[in-house]
Amino acid sequence: EPEVTQTPSHQVTQMGQEVILRCVPISNHLYFYWYRQILGQKVEFLVSFYNNEISEKSEIFDDQFSVERPDGSNFTLKIRSTKLEDSAMYFCAGEGAKGTEAFFGQGTRLTVV
Amino acid sequence: AQSVTQLGSHVSVSEGALVLLRCNYSSSVPPYLFWYVQYPNQGLQLLLKYTSAATLVKGINGFEAEFKKSETSFHLTKPSAHMSDAAEYFCAVSRAGGNEKLTFGTGTRLTIIP
Repeated sequence: EPEVTQTPSHQVTQMGQEVILRCVPISNHLYFYWYRQILGQKVEFLVSFYNNEISEKSEIFDDQFSVERPDGSNFTLKIRSTKLEDSAMYFCAGEGAKGTEAFFGQGTRLTVV
Repeated sequence: AQSVTQLGSHVSVSEGALVLLRCNYSSSVPPYLFWYVQYPNQGLQLLLKYTSAATLVKGINGFEAEFKKSETSFHLTKPSAHMSDAAEYFCAVSRAGGNEKLTFGTGTRLTIIP
């Protein structure tokens, strides 16, 4: 069964450092999303991406965040200068055309120290 | 704008008892509704979804939910709880039509008492 793969599973970084979280979506998916879940809180939408463009972003997704799909397979989330409050589980998700179900990866736990 | 309210951050039921997890939604447009389950240290797995077809939706692992527009509810039920059902459950809403972001509730942690 195809699945969404995220790497790394856990990343520890120092405050102010750049991090890149990587996702390999299911091959025939066209719509991609990043969500995050701060420990003990609900899952929050960050950004959606379609046709190599951001289609929607939340107020959380400020200038410190960026996404790209550089090679048609990987889908990345970059945080330019991490803050302590960026510590969270980050989930990648994908959907097919006119999909009604988002498939989620296992998540990357980001810890900023 | 859309939102979801899950009543009860923690629910405990005995093994073999009925599971009822409550979800109420708010949406200014026709919604799609979802229940996801998260096991410890794992991602989100779809249990079931309502996409404007049948109002009673059956999902995996014996779970089902009923969309009630008049009550703006989408409660999740399972007739007989199993130990393996212990997990965090999230209700989510999106705009109808597909390929829309999900807005999640705060989650309900289900504990099964042996």
